[in-house]
Amino acid sequence: GAVVSQHPSRVICKSGTSVKIECRSLDFQATTMFWYRQFPKKSLMLMATSNEGSKATYEQGVEKDKFLINHASLTLSTLTVTSAHPEDSSFYICSANKGTGYTFGSGTRLTVV
Amino acid sequence: GNSVTQMEGPVTLSEEAFLTINCTYTATGYPSLFWYVQYPGEGLQLLLKATKADDKGSNKGFEATYRKETTSFHLEKGSVQVSDSAVYFCALTIIKAAGNKLTFGGGTRVLVKP
Repeated sequence: GAVVSQHPSRVICKSGTSVKIECRSLDFQATTMFWYRQFPKKSLMLMATSNEGSKATYEQGVEKDKFLINHASLTLSTLTVTSAHPEDSSFYICSANKGTGYTFGSGTRLTVV
Repeated sequence: GNSVTQMEGPVTLSEEAFLTINCTYTATGYPSLFWYVQYPGEGLQLLLKATKADDKGSNKGFEATYRKETTSFHLEKGSVQVSDSAVYFCALTIIKAAGNKLTFGGGTRVLVKP
């Protein structure tokens, strides 16, 4: 089946630094990937749609300059949280659609201290 | 726009009890419907899906029927196990092109006690 690998699974960073999260489709090509953010005990909030070879489409209220998305190849999308602050601490999940359905990465728990 | 409403949790059950999680939706267009499950500390896994009215999705003892007349997709399991403890998300998407977005409900936390 379709596999999406997300890395790292956990990361702790200092306030003011940047963190990069990778999302790879291992056995299929994904022209589109999705980035979600999940707050504790809350649902998933779509942050942006990552489009291979073009700019990401951000949802309303999501800061483009803070959450940088790059989709340079058909199997890799990255989310960089720039100048992280404690309020950016959250669970970030990526997803891709192979055509037969959506597959999710295992998530990245970001803690900013 | 599209939206999904599901019952709030937490839902606490004893092992072998019957589980129902209600889910209703509104959609502009003809949606496909999904249930996803999230175990602690993990990402989401597809549990089951249905793509047209009256379809029944089933997996691991869970079932849900696509009811267009009531715009619902309630999740049921006849006898839950401790291992079913997780957060369950109802979701929909409108199939129109590549890059379809999933719209999620708020999630329902289920805790099954031995």
